Amino acid sequence: AQTVTQSQPEMSVQEAETVTLSCTYDTSENNYYLFWYKQPPSRQMILVIRQEAYKQQNATENRFSVNFQKAAKSFSLKISDSQLGDTAMYFCAFMNPTGANSKLTFGKGITLSVRP
Amino acid sequence: GAVVSQHPSRVICKSGTSVKIECRSLDFQATTMFWYRQFPKKSLMLMATSNEGSKATYEQGVEKDKFLINHASLTLSTLTVTSAHPEDSSFYICSARDMGDSPLHFGNGTRLTVT
Repeated sequence: AQTVTQSQPEMSVQEAETVTLSCTYDTSENNYYLFWYKQPPSRQMILVIRQEAYKQQNATENRFSVNFQKAAKSFSLKISDSQLGDTAMYFCAFMNPTGANSKLTFGKGITLSVRP
Repeated sequence: GAVVSQHPSRVICKSGTSVKIECRSLDFQATTMFWYRQFPKKSLMLMATSNEGSKATYEQGVEKDKFLINHASLTLSTLTVTSAHPEDSSFYICSARDMGDSPLHFGNGTRLTVT
């Protein structure tokens, strides 16, 4: 079974600064997907970024980028130029793409606070 | 983009009653939907996988007679919490996938309070 570990329960960053959220996972699969989801106080789950394991290039989405280290099974999220609206819980997630029933396995999440 | 609508957003019910939560994919067909439960400041716990036209697959430890799931069409799945108790109070979230390997799209969640 796959496991996803987010060891930092919470972090704080100054507005406009950069912060990195850590995530490690364990799997015996070679092909899979990794995600970061954001859950603001509204509790809506928002997809931040996605990485396919077969792609060596790290995914980027505007201010969000990942550092995907497949051999180390590490998938960290970097948020540049942090904004107050980035305050939220962030969940790292793993999916083994075996079809429509493929499930997401979530980490415990990290609470990020952006200070003005 | 793909939209998943979940209703109601909040519900309060008395112990012993049943509550139904709906999850709809508005602009795509979802053969599979997922139901999660989330406690405050905790992660999402998968309860069951809902498949259109067949029985749901429940995760270990989830009582299928208590949490009834029906996926009667390609755009609607329902979760019914039967004989609700205060310990069932929680945040329930549904999600759906448009195609086999696309990311999940989540509903806005339902806050259930059992008094």
